[in-house]
Amino acid sequence: DVKVTQSSRYLVKRTGEKVFLECVQDMDHENMFWYRQDPGLGLRLIYFSYDVKMKEKGDIPEGYSVSREKKERFSLILESASTNQTSMYLCASSPPGTGVFEQYFGPGTRLTVT
Amino acid sequence: SQQGEEDPQALSIQEGENATMNCSYKTSINNLQWYRQNSGRGLVHLILIRSNEREKHSGRLRVTLDTSKKSSSLLITASRAADTASYFCATGGYSSASKIIFGSGTRLSIRP
Repeated sequence: DVKVTQSSRYLVKRTGEKVFLECVQDMDHENMFWYRQDPGLGLRLIYFSYDVKMKEKGDIPEGYSVSREKKERFSLILESASTNQTSMYLCASSPPGTGVFEQYFGPGTRLTVT
Repeated sequence: SQQGEEDPQALSIQEGENATMNCSYKTSINNLQWYRQNSGRGLVHLILIRSNEREKHSGRLRVTLDTSKKSSSLLITASRAADTASYFCATGGYSSASKIIFGSGTRLSIRP
């Protein structure tokens, strides 16, 4: 069975803290994604990675960075957390090419920045 | 800007009835997908329909795609309480590394 796990379900951090959100997939997928989900805005892509050490900006990368040192792990970093980064963060992965495009999601991390 | 827009934003029906949700998008696509999200959880992929397909079935789900109108619909037949969730359409590009763009979702409630 396909499995994507995220390090925390709930997280509370203070403004200015550095925050690490970790995502691990056990499917040997090349592609991994980080989204944030806010009411009325749907899912917005922050960053994605199509290979180890590769990363591409999504639609809202400002205030975030990512790291992909190993194929199975994709980390999202908030360098200096702000209250407007309070959100649900979702990680996803997908296999490469050959017409398979669906993404597999983790359970999400609800981050509150106070 | 979002590619997919779902309609309605919220839908409440009686258990056993059929639920229909619509999705419109703006640009050419390679495929369109539907996902379900139970409250506070991650998304689960339901079905993918390619741009050269018009209709697809999976169990109680039926998806249609009209590329001339840039729209898709998701029909859930004989709804159950467990179908209560948010449903998102997502438009896909031409490789798995392409961005998938999600709409803002339809919140479906099934009344017992």
